[in-house]
Amino acid sequence: LAKTTQPISMDSYEGQEVNITCSHNNIATNDYITWYQQFPSQGPRFIIQGYKTKVTNEVASLFIPADRKSSTLSLPRVSLSDTAVYYCLVGDGSGYSTLTFGKGTMLLVSP
Amino acid sequence: DSGVTQTPKHLITATGQRVTLRCSPRSGDLSVYWYQQSLDQGLQFLIQYYNGEERAKGNILERFSAQQFPDLHSELNLSSLELGDSALYFCASSGSQGGFFGYTFGSGTRLTVV
Repeated sequence: LAKTTQPISMDSYEGQEVNITCSHNNIATNDYITWYQQFPSQGPRFIIQGYKTKVTNEVASLFIPADRKSSTLSLPRVSLSDTAVYYCLVGDGSGYSTLTFGKGTMLLVSP
Repeated sequence: DSGVTQTPKHLITATGQRVTLRCSPRSGDLSVYWYQQSLDQGLQFLIQYYNGEERAKGNILERFSAQQFPDLHSELNLSSLELGDSALYFCASSGSQGGFFGYTFGSGTRLTVV
């Protein structure tokens, strides 16, 4: 399984755009990149998934460069309620792998 | 409501005891995954079942066991409990055999061993 590296913590203010970058140098051809969000004492929640280029949904955007060795989760205009831990995961797109969570990035949004 | 139901929400028990955590997956999902989350270890994958059969094993202790029943609900059994087993236990489900389509997590069971 490809290992991921992401910052331990990030700080931001309300209304700002937040970009969290994840490094996955050993990503395999079949691997997809998935991001989860977790609030304290709650289960992680799926945010977005992508394979290459850019993916956008109502919550976030995911940017993946051509070499796919990194990815960036972009949260537009964050609010206090976006304070959470964000996990970057890389998994086999064949559907047979289980997801391994790292330490994640603790995002703290201040007023 | 994510569609994944875990019971009980809280459990307090003494060392040496045995407990059973229950999980009902989202309707239609065949895979169930169990994760343990403690302050110092983060989210640790324990075990996966797919349509009643064990599919993958992670860092699950021998004192722990799980099963998935024909109606697809799953139970995680923890025995000979130790103080270090205190943690949040999450169940997740997915529609595939793996994580490709994303997992849906339940709200967890908080186990406190005293």
